[in-house]
Parts: sequence; C-alpha cells; structure tokens
Amino acid sequence: DMKVTQMPRYLIKRMGENVLLECGQDMSHETMYWYRQDPGLGLQLIYISYDVDSNSEGDIPKGYRVSRKKREHFSLILDSAKTNQTSVYFCASRGQTHSGNTLYFGEGSRLIVV
Amino acid sequence: GDQVEQSPSALSLHEGTGSALRCNFTTTMRAVQWFRKNSRGSLINLFYLASGTKENGRLKSAFDSKERYSTLHIRDAQLEDSGTYFCAASSNAYKVIFGKGTHLHVLP
Repeated sequence: DMKVTQMPRYLIKRMGENVLLECGQDMSHETMYWYRQDPGLGLQLIYISYDVDSNSEGDIPKGYRVSRKKREHFSLILDSAKTNQTSVYFCASRGQTHSGNTLYFGEGSRLIVV
Repeated sequence: GDQVEQSPSALSLHEGTGSALRCNFTTTMRAVQWFRKNSRGSLINLFYLASGTKENGRLKSAFDSKERYSTLHIRDAQLEDSGTYFCAASSNAYKVIFGKGTHLHVLP
C-alpha cells in the first residue's frame, strides 16, 4: 500500500520550544520533501532530500532543519519555534509509477505556535 | 526564480456546469501534477502529465511544455468537487513548485 504518514497530525507549542515533525513512507522512494501551506500562498518548499544524509534547502529553509537517517523517514525540526511558523506542514515522497514521477503527500501536520 | 501562476484564485460554479483552471509557467517545465485538497485537508493526486492530455471521469487535463501552461477542465460539476485545486510543476529532476491554488465552490 503506497502511503506517506505524518506524525503528529496536530501540535501546539510555545514560542521558543523545539518541534519535531516526522514523516514516513513505505514506497522506498529516494526523494522526499517538506512543504508548508498557508492560506493564499500555496505550498512553499522548505527542504528536499535526495536520499539518506543528502538534503538540500528549498525556497524557505530559514528556521528549519531536516534529518534523513533512513530512506523511509524524513524529519523536520524547528529548534526554537516562532509564531510565524504556525502553519500546516506537508511531507511528500516522489517516485516512478505507471503515470510518471509522481508526488505522494501525507495528510499534513497542523502546527500552532503560541 | 521559477514560478507557477495559477488562475483563477477563486471560482464558483453551479452544479452541472463546467470551467477550466489554468497554470502558466515562467520557464519550461518537465511535467505537471494536479491535486485537490479535500475537506480533511489531504492532497489528492488528480493527474500527472509529462505532455499531452489525460482524462478521468469529469476531469481533463492538458500540458503544453513549449507554450508553458497546463489546464484542468471540470465538466458537470458536483457539490463534492468543491475544494482547493493546486498545480505543481517541475523544471528539473527534483524541485517541484506549486501554484497558489484555486478555491472552487460548487453551488446547488
């Protein structure tokens, strides 16, 4: 079953606290992504991971870091959360299907920073 | 940088009617993917195109890399088609850029 799983789905943190968002995929896809989605802004790319320990900044990496120690797991870390990091975070993996090089998304993690 | 311009930003349709969503690209893209965000907030794959057109039920999508655009046509709109539609395009093997979305509201 092709699935991207995100944990937690909902999270409330205080400003300055650490945040760990986790993502898993069961498709052995090499490439994984973290996006954030805010109203009116679409999805903005935070980080790309090409494979284990091979990560690259996206368009808005500031305030975030990532970790990919196993192909099936890709974590997003906020070391000191800010209120402007309140958002819905989506993880995706990308791999070949009969249709093409398709993105598969998790169900999102809603983070509120107070 | 590479950009994806999606239009319209919002659209209201009466049940049974149809319309088209469009994404214009500022550079040549290799492929485009269309998604719908459902009421639970999940992003549902609709189409992946590297060229040409694809059709699935009441939805049809086209991608013209040379002319730098893609369209998503909805016909015979139903209430359950309401949601936010996104296009996403890739200019290289890895980076995927999203449009800002189209909020579709289907009216009874």
